[in-house]
Amino acid sequence: DGGITQSPKYLFRKEGQNVTLSCEQNLNHDAMYWYRQDPGQGLRLIYYSQIVNDFQKGDIAEGYSVSREKKESFPLTVTSAQKNPTAFYLCASTVGGSSSYNEQFFGPGTRLTVL
Amino acid sequence: DAKTTQPNSMESNEEEPVHLPCNHSTISGTDYIHWYRQLPSQGPEYVIHGLTSNVNNRMASLAIAEDRKSSTLILHRATLRDAAVYYCILRGFNAGGTSYGKLTFGQGTILTVHP
Repeated sequence: DGGITQSPKYLFRKEGQNVTLSCEQNLNHDAMYWYRQDPGQGLRLIYYSQIVNDFQKGDIAEGYSVSREKKESFPLTVTSAQKNPTAFYLCASTVGGSSSYNEQFFGPGTRLTVL
Repeated sequence: DAKTTQPNSMESNEEEPVHLPCNHSTISGTDYIHWYRQLPSQGPEYVIHGLTSNVNNRMASLAIAEDRKSSTLILHRATLRDAAVYYCILRGFNAGGTSYGKLTFGQGTILTVHP
């Protein structure tokens, strides 16, 4: 079955450590996205990539970094510079281009807790 | 992105229809109206989208006002599995690559379904 996988589902890290969240898709989608969700809030865009080897900052990119070396993979690194990293992180993808009617497919999410 | 306004919460009984409203008075002529829903601790999933005409799919119906300043998501027979947060989102048409497919989430409507 095609879809998006995120790992791990739960992640704990000590303050001051960098951590990388995995996102893989086998939908052959060109565009991929990372969102952050805080309790009781909607999603906010961290980074997005429309094509391999290219990515842009979203609304809240500070303290995060990404790479897009392969079409199917878009890992997110939460660095120690991110002041409040505890949140639910969601990865999404969509078909090529950024048409306003293309459905976004979401992964199951990774819940990051900083101890 | 134009803003949407939704009630914070709504309740329904199982097997009854549910009408979830969304106001978007500043919608532009090329904005599509999208609905996503998010079950607890999961990533959002696409429900339906439309531009001007009413739309139906296997999950729901979307009724769009003639002036497009409001819309209503209709679940014809609510089930317990429909309990979720429902997000109404406007997405602008991509002209010249300026829209990168970002979804701007508000706080959504929490739908509670009673047995």
